[in-house]
Amino acid sequence: DIQMTQSPPSLSASLGDKVTITCQASQNINKYIAWYQQKPGKAPRLLIRYTSTLESGTPSRFSGSGSGRDYSFSISNVESEDIASYYCLQYDNLPWTFGGGTKLELK
Amino acid sequence: EVQLVESGGGLVQPGRSLKLSCAASGFTFSNYYMAWVRQAPKKGLEWVATISTSGSRTYYPDSVKGRFTISRDNAKSSLYLQMNSLKSEDTATYYCARQVGVVPNWYFDFWGPGTMVTVSS
Repeated sequence: DIQMTQSPPSLSASLGDKVTITCQASQNINKYIAWYQQKPGKAPRLLIRYTSTLESGTPSRFSGSGSGRDYSFSISNVESEDIASYYCLQYDNLPWTFGGGTKLELK
Repeated sequence: EVQLVESGGGLVQPGRSLKLSCAASGFTFSNYYMAWVRQAPKKGLEWVATISTSGSRTYYPDSVKGRFTISRDNAKSSLYLQMNSLKSEDTATYYCARQVGVVPNWYFDFWGPGTMVTVSS
C-alpha cells in the first residue's frame, strides 16, 4: 500500500497569510493526488485533482504542485472560511489512501 | 445538483451486521463508479469499497475484505454497504462518494453528509 505522509498535522495562521501543506508518498504516484477540505461535521469537498487542477468553484487562492513522491498544497491570503481540515488522496494505485490530515486554525 | 444521502447507521454490537444505504440524485447514477469512505471519530479518512457502473466489479482494502460487501441498484439510484462481523474499529462515519477519473485512476468528487456507525456492546 502507498503511505501518504502529510505535514504538518496542524497549522496556525493569521488572515491574509500564505500556508503550505505537504504530502509525501511512499512511492511515485505520477501526479495522481487530490486535495480535500473538510469543515467540522461536514463531508469532504474536493478542491484540487491531478496535483494542480482546480475543481469548478475552488477559489484561485488555492493551488497545488509537485511530482514523483512530493506534493504541496497552498492557500494564499487565508480567509476565515478556509478554517478547516485538509486531506490529500493518492489515486495512482489501489488501495486509494489518504494523508493523515492537517487542521488549519486561526492564530 | 448532485445529492448523496446515506442512511442506516446506528449502534450495533460487535459481531453483528448492519446495512447502509445511499440515495443518489442529480446525476445519471448508472454512469458512475461509486464508493464508501469512512472516518473514525477524530481520525482521518479511509477508503472502504468501490463498485463499477454495472456492479460486476468490486474493490476493497484488506481491512474489510471478506466482511463488507458493496452493491448497487441502478434502477433505484441506490448504493449499499453490507457490513458483517463488525468490530469496534469499524466505528466511524460512513460516507457515500461518487468516483470519477480514467481507469484505473479514480478519485472521489462528491460526497454525502455521512451516517454514523457505532460498534459497541
